Amino acid sequence: GDSVTQMEGPVTLSEEAFLTINCTYTATGYPSLFWYVQYPGEGLQLLLKATKADDKGSNKGFEATYRKETTSFHLEKGSVQVSDSAVYFCALSPPDQGGKLIFGQGTELSVKP
Amino acid sequence: DADVTQTPRNRITKTGKRIMLECSQTKGHDRMYWYRQDPGLGLRLIYYSFDVKDINKGEISDGYSVSRQAQAKFSLSLESAIPNQTALYFCATSQGIYGYTFGSGTRLTVV
Repeated sequence: GDSVTQMEGPVTLSEEAFLTINCTYTATGYPSLFWYVQYPGEGLQLLLKATKADDKGSNKGFEATYRKETTSFHLEKGSVQVSDSAVYFCALSPPDQGGKLIFGQGTELSVKP
Repeated sequence: DADVTQTPRNRITKTGKRIMLECSQTKGHDRMYWYRQDPGLGLRLIYYSFDVKDINKGEISDGYSVSRQAQAKFSLSLESAIPNQTALYFCATSQGIYGYTFGSGTRLTVV
C-alpha cells in the first residue's frame, strides 16, 4: 500500500544552519505531496504542498520539490531559526481516494541559539 | 474560537471504560477525520466521513467507533478502553485535499 518514510529524528541544528529532512514515498499513480508542521502543544499546520512532478512547494523559507524519478519530497531551508523548532511530517494524498492523507512518522527538529 | 475544537484536551481513564472524544468545527467543511498520533509512527487514520451519511473505516479502526451527528460534529468513541489506546488523538476537517484544518488534539491515557 501507499506509504511515506522520513528520516529519523531528532535533528539538532544551530541557528542559521542549513536544514534537510528527507522524505520518500511509495504510491501508485500520482499522489499530491505535503509537508505539515506541528509546534509544541498544537495541531498540525500545512507548511507547503506540490501536486505534480517537478512542482516546487515553498513557504516561510522552506522548500520541497516533487521528484517522481526518485519518489522523494525532501524539505529544505537555507537558514533555520530557533522558532523553526517543531515536528515536521511528510504526507501524501493518493489520487481518487477523496483526500485522505497518509503521514510519515514525523521528524523532530530542535534549533539551538 | 478555534476553527476545529476538540474536547476534552486531556483525559485519563481506566481500562474497560467507555470514553467519547468530541470534535466540532466552524469551517463549514464536509469532510472530517479522526487520526491517532503515536511517537515514531506519525498519524494514522482511524475513521473518516465525507458527509453526515458517509462514514468510512481508516487503517486502524478496530476498537473505535464514530458518530457524525451533524455536518459540524464528529465524535470518536472507545467502547472499552485498553492501555495501547493511549495516544494523542486529532480531529481534522477538509474541503478537498488542500484545506486540512487540525484541532489541537486530545491526549488520552488509559491506565
